[in-house]
Amino acid sequence: RKEVEQDPGPFNVPEGATVAFNCTYSNSASQSFFWYRQDCRKEPKLLMSVYSSGNEDGRFTAQLNRASQYISLLIRDSKLSDSATYLCVVGRAGTALIFGKGTTLSVSS
Amino acid sequence: GAVVSQHPSWVICKSGTSVKIECRSLDFQATTMFWYRQFPKQSLMLMATSNEGSKATYEQGVEKDKFLINHASLTLSTLTVTSAHPEDSSFYICSAHRGGNEQYFGPGTRLTVT
Repeated sequence: RKEVEQDPGPFNVPEGATVAFNCTYSNSASQSFFWYRQDCRKEPKLLMSVYSSGNEDGRFTAQLNRASQYISLLIRDSKLSDSATYLCVVGRAGTALIFGKGTTLSVSS
Repeated sequence: GAVVSQHPSWVICKSGTSVKIECRSLDFQATTMFWYRQFPKQSLMLMATSNEGSKATYEQGVEKDKFLINHASLTLSTLTVTSAHPEDSSFYICSAHRGGNEQYFGPGTRLTVT
């Protein structure tokens, strides 16, 4: 079983739609959780950290459920510029990051 | 925000040659840097953890004699792909750990081995 699993998609949605991405991780000792965004042929960029209390940044909301080892990302009012691959990332002891395969989002007009 | 650079950004080399990729933290000191590799449509895979002044720690399945890592200073780590083969063609990305959970990625190096 992969350490971080995501639905690869692609998710094809119209502008303005709400879309949710899910992720599960297998290592219960994981300590930190993130969503990264990666555009084609570019390095990943941090979108937001994820906390058990949930956190929101504008149109983006992230949730963490440690008991279920489940992470989610909700994007509201999708924009064309949101089209990218969204990577679920888990940090383990020693600060190495483990990346999911990514979920591809395509927002169309 | 913190900046991490990589050089070169892309390189084409012939099979059997060696390629060195540099990763620099430009405005902070990084005792730990990480090297990742990403094949098309795949996730980033951690290759090794590079610690300043000590030997790198390699992930299972990564050949340490093929992927030589040197972290000689607090701002520079290098990855040398020795005797490169076409199957080594990939996107190599480094990241530098700044402290806490902060980790900054370089722009990546696209290696093509012909």
